[in-house]
Amino acid sequence: GDSVTQMEGPVTLSEEAFLTINCTYTATGYPSLFWYVQYPGEGLQLLLKATKADDKGSNKGFEATYRKETTSFHLEKGSVQVSDSAVYFCALRHQAGTALIFGKGTTLSVSS
Amino acid sequence: GAVVSQHPSWVICKSGTSVKIECRSLDFQATTMFWYRQFPKQSLMLMATSNEGSKATYEQGVEKDKFLINHASLTLSTLTVTSAHPEDSSFYICSARENREAGQETQYFGPGTRLLVL
Repeated sequence: GDSVTQMEGPVTLSEEAFLTINCTYTATGYPSLFWYVQYPGEGLQLLLKATKADDKGSNKGFEATYRKETTSFHLEKGSVQVSDSAVYFCALRHQAGTALIFGKGTTLSVSS
Repeated sequence: GAVVSQHPSWVICKSGTSVKIECRSLDFQATTMFWYRQFPKQSLMLMATSNEGSKATYEQGVEKDKFLINHASLTLSTLTVTSAHPEDSSFYICSARENREAGQETQYFGPGTRLLVL
């Protein structure tokens, strides 16, 4: 079945460091790919998404490119801030209207 | 952006009691809502898909008689954990799908409900 694998956390960085959180997926066809973020005490929020191969999703300085050849959707940010501390979830969805399949989440902790 | 609320946010109950969790879409109509369960340091696992006016579709391994889902209106879905036991303790999260034109639909997540069964 479909699945999403993301790197184990926690990831601990200093402010302004470069961030990469790896995400790979297993799925048939061409799923849509997502990154969600969960800040402490809050619900999941959509961070960015890509719906087809080579699409790049971006938001708030975060980027991820849909790589069909490597079945990956790695999340990157050039300079993290303390306020980026949260849990990040990679997810896929096969078609509109269906549920999301999530990775286990990666906790990011940024210190000043 | 669209908001989804869950109530209660925290519930502690005795083993054998039933607990009802509400999921509301506050500023949009949602014909479809999803219920997930999250264990510590684990992923969100889909439990069921709730469609307004019809029976919920449960994922394999989820007991429909244990986890009763009702989606009586376009803004409210409820999950009732019947005869709860300690192994039902978990974090329950709902999401609501905002209907838009093809390819633009978005799912919004509630803040979750933490259930502790003693």
